[in-house]
Amino acid sequence: DSGVTQTPKHLITATGQRVTLRCSPRSGDLSVYWYQQSLDQGLQFLIQYYNGEERAKGNILERFSAQQFPDLHSELNLSSLELGDSALYFCASSVELSDEQYFGPGTRLTVT
Amino acid sequence: GDSVTQMEGPVTLSEEAFLTINCTYTATGYPSLFWYVQYPGEGLQLLLKATKADDKGSNKGFEATYRKETTSFHLEKGSVQVSDSAVYFCALSDRSGGSYIPTFGRGTSLIVHP
Repeated sequence: DSGVTQTPKHLITATGQRVTLRCSPRSGDLSVYWYQQSLDQGLQFLIQYYNGEERAKGNILERFSAQQFPDLHSELNLSSLELGDSALYFCASSVELSDEQYFGPGTRLTVT
Repeated sequence: GDSVTQMEGPVTLSEEAFLTINCTYTATGYPSLFWYVQYPGEGLQLLLKATKADDKGSNKGFEATYRKETTSFHLEKGSVQVSDSAVYFCALSDRSGGSYIPTFGRGTSLIVHP
C-alpha cells in the first residue's frame, strides 16, 4: 500500500459525458501528478501540482482539467469523453518535485 | 524535449537467469533517474533510484548505475525469480522552468518461467 488513494476504482460512462477522478496523496506529500496509461500510448504524464499550484503540464488535452485543493487532495476532470479516453488513470505523489513518486492503484475508465 | 528509451519486451527468462533491461535517456538538464515496477492490476512502485553520475541504486537484488557518459541506466539482477514477473519502467525527473518534469519509458514486460 503506497498511501495514495484513488476513487473510484472503476468508472463506466458514455461518450460525451463528464467524469471526476479523485486522488488523496500520501500524508506529508505536497506534489501530485496525474498520468494516463493505455496499451498503445504507454504511460503519459498529464499534469503536476505542488502545494495547490499547477507546476507542469504534459500531454493533457484541453477537455481535461485538474486542480489541487488546500487539503492537498486533487481531482482530474474529463469532459466530452471519447472512446479513446478509455484508459487507466493514475495519481502519484511525492514530497518534493524532484523526488520519487508514490502511485495510487488507479482508476479504470471505460467510455462506451 | 527529454526522452527515455527502453528495450522492447517481452523479455522471457528462466528462473535464476541473469537479467538486463537496457535504458538510455536524453535530457537537457541533470536528471534524477528511476526504475519503477508494475505488477498486474497495480500501480507503479519505486524499485530504485540514482540522483547523480556514478551513483548505484539497488533494491531487492536489482541494481542500476547512473552513467552520464553513455546516458544510460540499465537495470540488472543476477538471479530472477518467478515473482519478478512484471512490467519495468525507466524514468527520469529533469528540472525545467522551475519545476521537474517526469518522463517515463514505455515499459518492458518481464516474464520469468519456473
